[in-house]
Amino acid sequence: DAKTTQPNSMESNEEEPVHLPCNHSTISGTDYIHWYRQLPSQGPEYVIHGLTSNVNNRMASLAIAEDRKSSTLILHRATLRDAAVYYCILIGNYGQNFVFGPGTRLSVLP
Amino acid sequence: EPEVTQTPSHQVTQMGQEVILRCVPISNHLYFYWYRQILGQKVEFLVSFYNNEISEKSEIFDDQFSVERPDGSNFTLKIRSTKLEDSAMYFCASSQYNEQFFGPGTRLTVL
Repeated sequence: DAKTTQPNSMESNEEEPVHLPCNHSTISGTDYIHWYRQLPSQGPEYVIHGLTSNVNNRMASLAIAEDRKSSTLILHRATLRDAAVYYCILIGNYGQNFVFGPGTRLSVLP
Repeated sequence: EPEVTQTPSHQVTQMGQEVILRCVPISNHLYFYWYRQILGQKVEFLVSFYNNEISEKSEIFDDQFSVERPDGSNFTLKIRSTKLEDSAMYFCASSQYNEQFFGPGTRLTVL
């Protein structure tokens, strides 16, 4: 499985944008970049995914570098509810299991 | 919005006892998974299931573990003889394509 590297922790102020980086220098051409988050005492939750182009949905935006070796999850206005561990995961095929790293623990300050 | 459900939410058992953790995946999904998370640690893959058979399993998934889809809707994880180190949150997930939908988890406590 291709490996991802994320900072252990980040901090943000409420209502400010947050940029969560992920490095995946060994990504293969068919790997999708997925972002999940895990709120305290809950299961992982899908946030967004992409292949080559930047993606937007109601939760976040995903900016993918042109060489695909890194990506950034963007939360446009952090809320207290966004405090969670964020995981960047590479997936190549349907049904492939997820390999979770330690992720980035995001703290949101009021 | 459809969701993955898991029962029970918390299971307490004595070491050496058998436990069955139950999951109801999203109905049109084809791929099913079990993961576990020991307190304070990362989420770890246990097993994936497709077309009524195991498609992949990790080193953690030894002979003490088994999975079953007994009736076309439930997906179960059985631990035959629980050990103290089996205490963890167990998450079920299902997918149709790449995106996996996770259940809320079952907290297993082995005494």
